[in-house]
Amino acid sequence: DGGITQSPKYLFRKEGQNVTLSCEQNLNHDAMYWYRQDPGQGLRLIYYSQIVNDFQKGDIAEGYSVSREKKESFPLTVTSAQKNPTAFYLCASSVTHYTEAFFGQGTRLTVV
Amino acid sequence: GIQVEQSPPDLILQEGANSTLRCNFSDSVNNLQWFHQNPWGQLINLFYIPSGTKQNGRLSATTVATERYSLLYISSSQTTDSGVYFCAVLDNYGQNFVFGPGTRLSVLP
Repeated sequence: DGGITQSPKYLFRKEGQNVTLSCEQNLNHDAMYWYRQDPGQGLRLIYYSQIVNDFQKGDIAEGYSVSREKKESFPLTVTSAQKNPTAFYLCASSVTHYTEAFFGQGTRLTVV
Repeated sequence: GIQVEQSPPDLILQEGANSTLRCNFSDSVNNLQWFHQNPWGQLINLFYIPSGTKQNGRLSATTVATERYSLLYISSSQTTDSGVYFCAVLDNYGQNFVFGPGTRLSVLP
């Protein structure tokens, strides 16, 4: 099945620990994105990548890091520098940066 | 950057009713999409509609790019239509895909 897979679905971490969220796609899409959603809010862009080995900061990149070593994969690391990491994280991909985006099922991160 | 507004913020309907959701944006766009977020958080693609009109079953959408708005029509609503509807736009600079705040729809049986 073609699609975007995020794992895990739920993640619990202690304050001060870095954590990496996985996003894999088998759609052969060039562009990939990470969004954050807080309860009752819209989505805000953290990072995006238009092509392998290149990525750009979105509106709320502070405290996050990404890599794009393979076309299929765009992992997001939530570092201890992120002040309020508890949120719902959504990954998306599109053929190119200007075209229709498709989303994974999300990872709900809770930091205690 | 581009601003995206959606109205109404909340909408409660009886099953079978029709509704219109609106998305206004402050600048020209290259890309506009409508999504439905289900109760489990998944974003379901409804329409990719930078301009013109599209229909898919009970749903249709119209974007008037020159007047900077898009409308999503839901006819004969069902309880499974409940959730949050987002529009998202990519501005002409192509730097950021911006989401509106959403319309929360509740369809009552």
